[in-house]
Amino acid sequence: DTEVTQTPKHLVMGMTNKKSLKCEQHMGHRAMYWYKQKAKKPPELMFVYSYEKLSINESVPSRFSPECPNSSLLNLHLHALQPEDSALYLCASSQLGSPYEQYFGPGTRLTVT
Amino acid sequence: AQSVAQPEDQVNVAEGNPLTVKCTYSVSGNPYLFWYVQYPNRGLQFLLKYITGDNLVKGSYGFEAEFNKSQTSFHLKKPSALVSDSALYFCAVREGAGNNRKLIWGLGTSLAVNP
Repeated sequence: DTEVTQTPKHLVMGMTNKKSLKCEQHMGHRAMYWYKQKAKKPPELMFVYSYEKLSINESVPSRFSPECPNSSLLNLHLHALQPEDSALYLCASSQLGSPYEQYFGPGTRLTVT
Repeated sequence: AQSVAQPEDQVNVAEGNPLTVKCTYSVSGNPYLFWYVQYPNRGLQFLLKYITGDNLVKGSYGFEAEFNKSQTSFHLKKPSALVSDSALYFCAVREGAGNNRKLIWGLGTSLAVNP
C-alpha cells in the first residue's frame, strides 16, 4: 500500500473557526510532512515530524498547530486563519535515512472566508 | 545552500514528439535530485531520483532523466510525449542531514502536450 490519505478533500472555514486536517499512511514511514501549496507554485514546507517528534518548523504562524499522535497519523489544527491561508494543504511521508522519495496525499483544498 | 532552477515556465510539445523539461542545480557535496509531477487538482507524484551511479535514471510512466555533473543539470526526458503527460513538473534537491532533511523545490514547469 503506497497511499497517503487526507481528509477532508475540501474545507471552507471562517476566520473564527477551529478545524483540523487529517493525514494517514500505512507504509511504515517514520517521517511525515505538511506542505502548503498555492496554485501553480511549488509546495512550501511547513512542518516535518521524524519518529513522531517535530523536527522542522519552517517559522509557521501559531494559528497552524501540528500533531503526530502515532507513526501513521498526522494532524494539522487550524485556528483563526486569514484569507491568505487559503491553499492546497498537502501531507507527505517518507522513510528516514537515505534520500528516500516522499509520497504525497491528494491534499485538502482550504478556503478561508 | 542547495538550490534548483527550472528555466522554463512552460513547455509545449506535440504528441508523439520527444520532450525535455530542464533543471539545473547548485549544491555543495553530492546532489540528491528528484522529479515530481502534479496533475490538475492532485497531489504530487514521484517520478524518479538520482543518488549515485548511472547518469541516466529511468522512472515512472516512461520518463527518464539525465544527470550531467559538468553542466550541473538534471533534465527530464521522454522519447514520445502523450497528451496525458500534460501537467506541472517540479525538480527538487535534498538539503540537510539527519532528521532535518527537506526538499528544496524548483518553481515548476508546466508541460502542455498538444494532440
